[in-house]
Amino acid sequence: GAGVSQSPSNKVTEKGKDVELRCDPISGHTALYWYRQSLGQGLEFLIYFQGNSAPDKSGLPSDRFSAERTGGSVSTLTIQRTQQEDSAVYLCASSFSSGPNEQFFGPGTRLTVL
Amino acid sequence: TQLLEQSPQFLSIQEGENLTVYCNSSSVFSSLQWYRQEPGEGPVLLVTVVTGGEVKKLKRLTFQFGDARKDSSLHITAAQPGDTGLYLCARHGSGNTGKLIFGQGTTLQVKP
Repeated sequence: GAGVSQSPSNKVTEKGKDVELRCDPISGHTALYWYRQSLGQGLEFLIYFQGNSAPDKSGLPSDRFSAERTGGSVSTLTIQRTQQEDSAVYLCASSFSSGPNEQFFGPGTRLTVL
Repeated sequence: TQLLEQSPQFLSIQEGENLTVYCNSSSVFSSLQWYRQEPGEGPVLLVTVVTGGEVKKLKRLTFQFGDARKDSSLHITAAQPGDTGLYLCARHGSGNTGKLIFGQGTTLQVKP
C-alpha cells in the first residue's frame, strides 16, 4: 500500500509481558517517528529515526521502552515488562526527510495491558 | 514554556453551526500545524501556517496564525457531521528533527 502501516492493530497483553509493535513506513521516507496517544497525556513524541539511527530518544518514558529500525525501513517498538500505564495507542509516522516536513501517520496499534 | 494549550477540549454542536478552536502558547513558533484525526486512524495534516497574520482557507475551514506567531485558530463555517473528529494543533520541537509537539486536542461532535 502507499501509506504507513502498523501491526498489530490491537494488542491485549498481561502485565509483565513483553510486546513488539511494528511500523512499515512509506517507501523512500528516511525519517520515522513513534508517538503515544493516551487519554490523560494526549499525543506524545517517543523516538525519531533518521535512516537506521535514532538521534532523538528523548520521549521514551523508561528503559523498558526501546526501538530499532532496519534497512532504513521497518521499525519495531518493544516494551518490556509491560505495565498498565503503558496502555495507549502507539502511532508511527514517516516523512521524506527530517525537519519540518509533512508527516504521514499510520492507523496505530491499540495496546491494552491487563 | 513551549506547551500548546487548546480550547475548548470538547465541542458538541448542531449541523450548520459555526465554531472556533483555539491553540495558544506563550512562545513564538516558526510554524504551526493543524491535524484532524478520526477514530481508528492516525492524524492527517490539514494545514501549516508560517507567517504571522497568515490566513489559510480549506473549503469551510479557515486557519489563522496570530500576528505574534504565538497563537492560532481554526474556524469552521456551517459544520457538517463529516467534520466530526479530533482536531490537533502541533509545532515542531527543537533540534530540527521534525518531531511534533501536540496540543491536547479538541473533540468535535457535529449532530445532524
